[in-house]
Amino acid sequence: DAKTTQPTSMDCAEGRAANLPCNHSTISGNEYVYWYRQIHSQGPQYIIHGLKNNETNEMASLIITEDRKSSTLILPHATLRDTAVYYCIVSPTNAGGTSYGKLTFGQGTILTVHP
Amino acid sequence: NAGVTQTPKFRVLKTGQSMTLLCAQDMNHEYMYWYRQDPGMGLRLIHYSVGEGTTAKGEVPDGYNVSRLKKQNFLLGLESAAPSQTSVYFCASFDGGLGNQPQHFGDGTRLSIL
Repeated sequence: DAKTTQPTSMDCAEGRAANLPCNHSTISGNEYVYWYRQIHSQGPQYIIHGLKNNETNEMASLIITEDRKSSTLILPHATLRDTAVYYCIVSPTNAGGTSYGKLTFGQGTILTVHP
Repeated sequence: NAGVTQTPKFRVLKTGQSMTLLCAQDMNHEYMYWYRQDPGMGLRLIHYSVGEGTTAKGEVPDGYNVSRLKKQNFLLGLESAAPSQTSVYFCASFDGGLGNQPQHFGDGTRLSIL
């Protein structure tokens, strides 16, 4: 599985957009980019995932570069409740593969949203 | 809509004692996983299962055993607990089919070994 590199920590003002970068330069063609977050040692919470097109849902947007070597998670209007550790993970699609959905977590980015 | 439920939420053991952590999911998912998380670290995979009656080793399997006798349950056992196994344990499930659906996680079991 490809490895990811994320900044250790980031700060953001409440109400502003939070842009969390992730490098995954060794990503393979069949690997998706997943983002999870963990709030105060709760179980990880799924945010969004994508293959090569940009994606948006009710929580966030995911921008993947054309060469797929990096991505950015965007929280459009950060709130204090978005303070968490954010994990960027690449994982092969299970369809026809043997990864069995396993996720490899790094240390993530600690996002602190300030009032 | 329970999702993934872990039992117990907290437990304190003495070195050498045994115990079983239970994970139950109500989403009919094929795949289930046990992770551990140590302070300041990301989650590490202990064991996983790709269906009823199957189990496989993950990244850090030593000192743990698992069983998947029923599709909805995945048990993690510690036969002889050691202080190094003090950690937060998370269970997750995944449908394993097409569509690349995400893993769903439980709220964790906080285990202390004295």
